Amino acid sequence: QLHLQESGSGLVKPSQTLSLTCAVSGDFIRSRTYSWSWIRRPPGKGLEWVGFISPSGSTFYNPSLKRRLTISVDRSQNQFSLKLTSVTAADTAVYFCAGVSGDWFDPWGQGALVTVSS
Amino acid sequence: SYVLTQPPSVSVAPGQTASITCRGPNIGSQSVHWYQQKPGQAPVLIIYDDGDRPSGTPERFSGSKSGNTATLTISRVEAGDEADFFCQVWDTNADFFGTGTKVTVL
Repeated sequence: QLHLQESGSGLVKPSQTLSLTCAVSGDFIRSRTYSWSWIRRPPGKGLEWVGFISPSGSTFYNPSLKRRLTISVDRSQNQFSLKLTSVTAADTAVYFCAGVSGDWFDPWGQGALVTVSS
Repeated sequence: SYVLTQPPSVSVAPGQTASITCRGPNIGSQSVHWYQQKPGQAPVLIIYDDGDRPSGTPERFSGSKSGNTATLTISRVEAGDEADFFCQVWDTNADFFGTGTKVTVL
């Protein structure tokens, strides 16, 4: 069964880079049957799609974040990553990683709170 | 930007039926998916492709669509159903979530 687990820095200073990793159980990354996505939820707000990477390595990003965002896969480590540069307080959120088969997100990781503050 | 509009809140008594709408300009031609998120937890997929239930989703949860409105219906509401609910679609190389609905069980 597919399980996902986020890890990374919980506190990032403004203008610096937010980095998160999502560990994927089993052989699901190497099997190339899923796309891998990031979604976030800022405090007091709703869900916001961040972006995803397809089995072929193509990336699709939220246009509002595209200029600052990189999503990549490391098949040797069974994980995928998010890097968001030049962060501001508006990037403070719980970040979720998720698997994508079809057009929907399932399953989700438990989430990682990232706070942007000096 | 593509906007999916949901009512901010819905209140329902235990045992009654709750309906949550999701309105968008192109929903009639898109597949709609629904998620339930309880406080402090990750969202969980409860309906995909307008009305299909993953294994594990109780039959009390159902999805439908008419015109440009998708609806999530929760029958025989229980206290444990209290959560935030979000619809989601894929449109033109991007994913979009609805504005979210907080369901309160009275």
